[in-house]
Amino acid sequence: GENVEQHPSTLSVQEGDSAVIKCTYSDSASNYFPWYKQELGKGPQLIIDIRSNVGEKKDQRIAVTLNKTAKHFSLHITETQPEDSAVYFCAASLVSGTYKYIFGTGTRLKVLA
Amino acid sequence: DAEITQSPRHKITETGRQVTLACHQTWNHNNMFWYRQDLGHGLRLIHYSYGVQDTNKGEVSDGYSVSRSNTEDLPLTLESAASSQTSVYFCASSESRHSGNTIYFGEGSWLTVV
Repeated sequence: GENVEQHPSTLSVQEGDSAVIKCTYSDSASNYFPWYKQELGKGPQLIIDIRSNVGEKKDQRIAVTLNKTAKHFSLHITETQPEDSAVYFCAASLVSGTYKYIFGTGTRLKVLA
Repeated sequence: DAEITQSPRHKITETGRQVTLACHQTWNHNNMFWYRQDLGHGLRLIHYSYGVQDTNKGEVSDGYSVSRSNTEDLPLTLESAASSQTSVYFCASSESRHSGNTIYFGEGSWLTVV
């Protein structure tokens, strides 16, 4: 069935360094890829998304890249700060008459001061 | 501000009991979803609804039911709670069924079945 693999499961970086989280999807029909940030005790919140007709999208310190041929997409956070510490989820949207996302298993990011 | 609220936020129940988790959104969104979140599995879809009187099964729907009698609410019912249903449950909503529409999540309901 459809699947989204996310790596790594945990990631520790020093404050100011960059962090990269990668996801691979299985269904080539997927055309929308959002990233969610979940802080402790909260629900996930959308931080950035990309559609399949775009290769890269940036929003301040956050960027997402998409490689449709290889079926993978990545989240890049530059100049990390302690408040970036959270769990990050990628997702792929399946356009097949139903509206649902397949989520990755999450990456716990720790930014060390 | 419009929002999506879940209740209760925390609940402990016994095996075999019926439990209902409430979800209420004030955005007037047509689409509503219930997910469960478990370590190592991420977020998995339980049920979803595209509008009033519409409900659909997700990938992990066994043991759960939903009803949509109005736009604002999608309660999730565990007919006979099992220990395997101990989890964090998230309700979510979105405006349109088209791909690329932001899903907004509630704050979560922590359920423990003992």
